[in-house]
Amino acid sequence: GAGVSQSPSNKVTEKGKDVELRCDPISGHTALYWYRQSLGQGLEFLIYFQGNSAPDKSGLPSDRFSAERTGGSVSTLTIQRTQQEDSAVYLCASSPGTALREQYFGPGTRLTVT
Amino acid sequence: TQLLEQSPQFLSIQEGENLTVYCNSSSVFSSLQWYRQEPGEGPVLLVTVVTGGEVKKLKRLTFQFGDARKDSSLHITAAQPGDTGLYLCAGGSTLGRLYFGRGTQLTVWP
Repeated sequence: GAGVSQSPSNKVTEKGKDVELRCDPISGHTALYWYRQSLGQGLEFLIYFQGNSAPDKSGLPSDRFSAERTGGSVSTLTIQRTQQEDSAVYLCASSPGTALREQYFGPGTRLTVT
Repeated sequence: TQLLEQSPQFLSIQEGENLTVYCNSSSVFSSLQWYRQEPGEGPVLLVTVVTGGEVKKLKRLTFQFGDARKDSSLHITAAQPGDTGLYLCAGGSTLGRLYFGRGTQLTVWP
């Protein structure tokens, strides 16, 4: 079956502009995560959606970052007034929501803020 | 503060050598997972361990979960250039999210 897809694969934007990154999770997966990864670094947790529960937003670095998940499926991560330090690869992962929390990652969106 | 500490951060070895990567925490996890990430791709799940003392083998890779379920190790026998990548451990509890370590960047030279 289809895996996690993300769009766009690459995004170049000017400082101060808003961007939207999209994630299509695996069908039926109830949990969805967003991470940020800088070059050669590990994963920085951003936000976690689990079913109809309130999302865990504890990893969002500032109020310029927000995310929503519509209908328990597709998710959009929005970054307002982008800064150069926002440049990174943004990864989305979905999970079937079992206690094991096994995650299936998309290929990521590479964001470059000029 | 990082919940899961991985060591070493970088590892550069010759083809055929053995290596071990460690993942340690002061917290108890109900499960621990290992992922491998190659350049330009998302991480891919390698294994999940759930029982203290559990050992799982995946070809030349051996994964162990500590008895107290606070730590884990990944051992690779006779490393090959295809093993090159970023290895990430991640711990989970029955509630809440998964926590990732910072990763070990492995390079295997031919």
